[in-house]
Formats: sequence, structure tokens, C-alpha cells
Amino acid sequence: GNSVTQMEGPVTLSEEAFLTINCTYTATGYPSLFWYVQYPGEGLQLLLKATKADDKGSNKGFEATYRKETTSFHLEKGSVQVSDSAVYFCATSGTYKYIFGTGTRLKVLA
Amino acid sequence: DTAVSQTPKYLVTQMGNDKSIKCEQNLGHDTMYWYKQDSKKFLKIMFSYNNKELIINETVPNRFSPKSPDKAHLNLHINSLELGDSAVYFCASSQEGSYNSPLHFGNGTRLTVT
Repeated sequence: GNSVTQMEGPVTLSEEAFLTINCTYTATGYPSLFWYVQYPGEGLQLLLKATKADDKGSNKGFEATYRKETTSFHLEKGSVQVSDSAVYFCATSGTYKYIFGTGTRLKVLA
Repeated sequence: DTAVSQTPKYLVTQMGNDKSIKCEQNLGHDTMYWYKQDSKKFLKIMFSYNNKELIINETVPNRFSPKSPDKAHLNLHINSLELGDSAVYFCASSQEGSYNSPLHFGNGTRLTVT
């Protein structure tokens, strides 16, 4: 079945630093890939998605590119803010089933 | 308007009790899910339903019984609660079986079993 591996956290950065959170996947077929963000005490919110190879998803300054050759979907942001502190999840779709990575906690210091 | 709403937000109960969590979505989606998030934030699918029919039961103990009275509602009843059931339970929905459709999550129910 499909699976997702993402880098373990926590990741601690200073404000305005560059962010990369690595995510790799294994899948049969052609799944979509997603990044979700979870703020404390809340549910997961979709951050961005990509539905086919070479697609780039972007939202709120975050970007990720669906790379089939390296089976990766790394999350990047050029300049993080304190408000970006949260847990980030990489996920892949399947038939009536979405598989999530273990989550990466990001802490941004002022 | 809340897209996926679940109640209660917090649930504290003793071992052996029976409890229910309710979920409703107003997105018009055909597919609904229950996920369990443990203390390390790991998310695991429990059930998925499509148009009120059970599609996936991910080796969840029989003490957990989902019920979908219509495609906008998916409730979760848990019998004989155990300490290990303590977790955050998330309801979610998506368009029917669509690989491209993202999940929409509720805000979770934090269950604490003492």
C-alpha cells in the first residue's frame, strides 16, 4: 500500500529563515500528494496539494513540487514567521484512504 | 459555517464506560472518515464510509462501532472504554473516492479515559 516518510522534528528556526521539510512517498498508481498543517488544539487544514508529477502546489508562501523521479514532495518556505509554528503533515491519497506521515513540528522563534 | 463539525470537543470518562462522538459535514461530500491521533501526533485511519456504506475498517477492535444514518453524518460509538483509547479522534470528509480531493477535518474530540 501507499506510505509516506517525513523528516522527524522538531525543527526550530529563527524568523525569516528558510524552511525545508522533507517528504518521500511510495505508492501504486498515481496518487495525489498533500501537505496539511495542524495548529494547537485544532484539526488539520489543507496547506497545498499536487495531483500529478511535476505539479507545484503553493499557498501562503509555502511550496512543494511533486517529483516522481525522486518520489519526493518536500515543503519549502523562503521566510518563516512565528505564526507558522505548527505541526506539518505530508499525505498521499488512496482509494477511500489517505496515508499521513508522522508529522514534523516547526517552532519559529522571534 | 463550519464545514465538518464534531461533538463533544472534550470527553473525559472512566474505563469500562460507553461513549459516542458525533460528526456532521455540510460540504455535500459522499465520503466520511474517522482518524485516531495518538499522543505523538501519529494519524491512523480507522474507518471510511461512502454514501453510508462501510468501505474501510482498518483492523479496529469491535468495541468501536461507526454508524452513518445519512451521508452527512458519521458517528462513532465506543464500548467498554480502555486506557489505550485515550487519543484525539478526528472526523473528516472528501468527495467520493477521488484521488485529487483533499480531506476536510473537524476540530477533533480529545478523549481521556481514566
